[in-house]
Amino acid sequence: QKEVEQNSGPLSVPEGAIASLNCTYSDRGSQSFFWYRQYSGKSPELIMFIYSNGDKEDGRFTAQLNKASQYVSLLIRDSQPSDSATYLCAVNEYGGSQGNLIFGKGTKLSVKP
Amino acid sequence: DAGITQSPRHKVTETGTPVTLRCHQTENHRYMYWYRQDPGHGLRLIHYSYGVKDTDKGEVSDGYSVSRSKTEDFLLTLESATSSQTSVYFCAISVKEDTEAFFGQGTRLTVV
Repeated sequence: QKEVEQNSGPLSVPEGAIASLNCTYSDRGSQSFFWYRQYSGKSPELIMFIYSNGDKEDGRFTAQLNKASQYVSLLIRDSQPSDSATYLCAVNEYGGSQGNLIFGKGTKLSVKP
Repeated sequence: DAGITQSPRHKVTETGTPVTLRCHQTENHRYMYWYRQDPGHGLRLIHYSYGVKDTDKGEVSDGYSVSRSKTEDFLLTLESATSSQTSVYFCAISVKEDTEAFFGQGTRLTVV
């Protein structure tokens, strides 16, 4: 069973701090990695995607990928109360069902004013 | 929501009745997916489609069937609803199999 693991949290950070969200995956063949944000009662919203080892930055968000360690992370700089949500890590399933994204159970982030 | 509409948004139904959820997209994306989301389980794939009349099972397909007769519509049917199918159902679309997926607003289904 291919898995994506995330710490469920809650992760609490003060406003203005850096929030670090981590994710590990079991499928060594996975090639595509995604971070989604989900507010309570809403649908998942894509924040970042990353395909290559290293860092990818978009505004206050940085995704980091290390395929050798099967590890992907999301950094949120200058965290705001509006960043409070559940963050879902998703990884494509290599060689399995076409286009299947395997989701972690999510990390709940709380940014305190 | 990237041109994705799910209907209905909320539904309460009785055990044993058939239920059909609809997903409609205006993006002309090839791939469409049905997920369910439950506390403690996260998002799990039920069925997906990679083209008109081309569908396949996901991780939790038992008790569900799907159909895709047009590019823009993907239907999920619960043949005989059970209480274990009480969940939030999300439709998603993507351009290619290994690219990002965009989600609809979700359907909250309660089976009593």
